[in-house]
Amino acid sequence: ETGVTQTPRHLVMGMTNKKSLKCEQHLGHNAMYWYKQSAKKPLELMFVYNFKEQTENNSVPSRFSPECPNSSHLFLHLHTLQPEDSALYLCASSQDGLADSYEQYFGPGTRLTVT
Amino acid sequence: AQSVTQPDIHITVSEGASLELRCNYSYGATPYLFWYVQSPGQGLQLLLKYFSGDTLVQGIKGFEAEFKRSQSSFNLRKPSVHWSDAAEYFCAVVRGGSEKLVFGKGTKLTVNP
Repeated sequence: ETGVTQTPRHLVMGMTNKKSLKCEQHLGHNAMYWYKQSAKKPLELMFVYNFKEQTENNSVPSRFSPECPNSSHLFLHLHTLQPEDSALYLCASSQDGLADSYEQYFGPGTRLTVT
Repeated sequence: AQSVTQPDIHITVSEGASLELRCNYSYGATPYLFWYVQSPGQGLQLLLKYFSGDTLVQGIKGFEAEFKRSQSSFNLRKPSVHWSDAAEYFCAVVRGGSEKLVFGKGTKLTVNP
């Protein structure tokens, strides 16, 4: 595997379910990101982790819970979601969180549908 | 707060025609500027970036972009579009020292045969 991988690619869940999205990067990077991409809206940054520490929470509701056990893996735990949370969730990584080395590599995304 | 504007939501060009996608940013100093492309069902791929130096930057897939400070613009160009270029294109900006990329809403490109 190379680059940034995400699983599952598609997920349908009910509002009372609990599920997790997984992201793995094989690039040796130290920063990882979760983004939400909804139709007709700009990409929204959700969380940033730099060297496993969360450095950004962009006012994301608590029903989204990130976890970064190491620099290669990032999870997004989901519970009691709302239909408006249906979107494409993109994971990205970069060498570190500093703009001087800034170049983000994106995974293919997980298409989430909340019913 | 910095923002990015892509004025064209959707552009259609014929294969072989030239292309220019517009991007304007609002930020006092020179930010770092990026263009990403997203093919259907895929994540975003970096086309090119501008940090400093030569204001005309070359990217992958035959794309280039020109930074114009006076116009706060970073327009993406390609001299001859291929059918495989059909995708959505995102301009993004980050303030130096910040981790946050701010994206425009994207421009969807359709290529007619």
